[in-house]
Amino acid sequence: SQQGEEDPQALSIQEGENATMNCSYKTSINNLQWYRQNSGRGLVHLILIRSNEREKHSGRLRVTLDTSKKSSSLLITASRAADTASYFCATDASGSNYKLTFGKGTLLTVNP
Amino acid sequence: DTAVSQTPKYLVTQMGNDKSIKCEQNLGHDTMYWYKQDSKKFLKIMFSYNNKELIINETVPNRFSPKSPDKAHLNLHINSLELGDSAVYFCASSQGMQAGSPLHFGNGTRLTVT
Repeated sequence: SQQGEEDPQALSIQEGENATMNCSYKTSINNLQWYRQNSGRGLVHLILIRSNEREKHSGRLRVTLDTSKKSSSLLITASRAADTASYFCATDASGSNYKLTFGKGTLLTVNP
Repeated sequence: DTAVSQTPKYLVTQMGNDKSIKCEQNLGHDTMYWYKQDSKKFLKIMFSYNNKELIINETVPNRFSPKSPDKAHLNLHINSLELGDSAVYFCASSQGMQAGSPLHFGNGTRLTVT
């Protein structure tokens, strides 16, 4: 069954604004990862948060993880037009033999 | 200096044909994967190999046969193509199967079956 479910499916904001995307999952996980996919390209790894971590930062990215609610959020601050892409969460379920399961993604459009 | 490269980028073929997609990684990774992304962008794992050994076979029809001649290559052969096979196929690699190894993706092969 599908693990990660991102929300919203699509998000349109102005340059400079912050963008928040959410991900919910169903089973126990070892870690949760976020990836970006530009149109016509492969996915690019952004950030990983382990199950014993609650928050992680990388540049303009901030990820939170709430294992009690089985949810994560990705915040992109001071967005730029170049951030326009689809964003996916991927979960590594406990005991899954490192089978990363991806959600359907959030399409973020940053308008200049 | 492409890390994960797959060929061809586009593949248009008719139902019933057999086709192959090739993937190579120059990252020195031990683990390689095939993922399928459908028209709604849902990405689903198909196979994973670790040091040429099949680890994950995710209930994929046996018309799909992966082959890993060495740990830097993972090819995908598809027999008797069907309309429903139309999708973007991504190859990926990771350092290993340790929890937390990020995946490095190729740019995909868009397969269109007519």
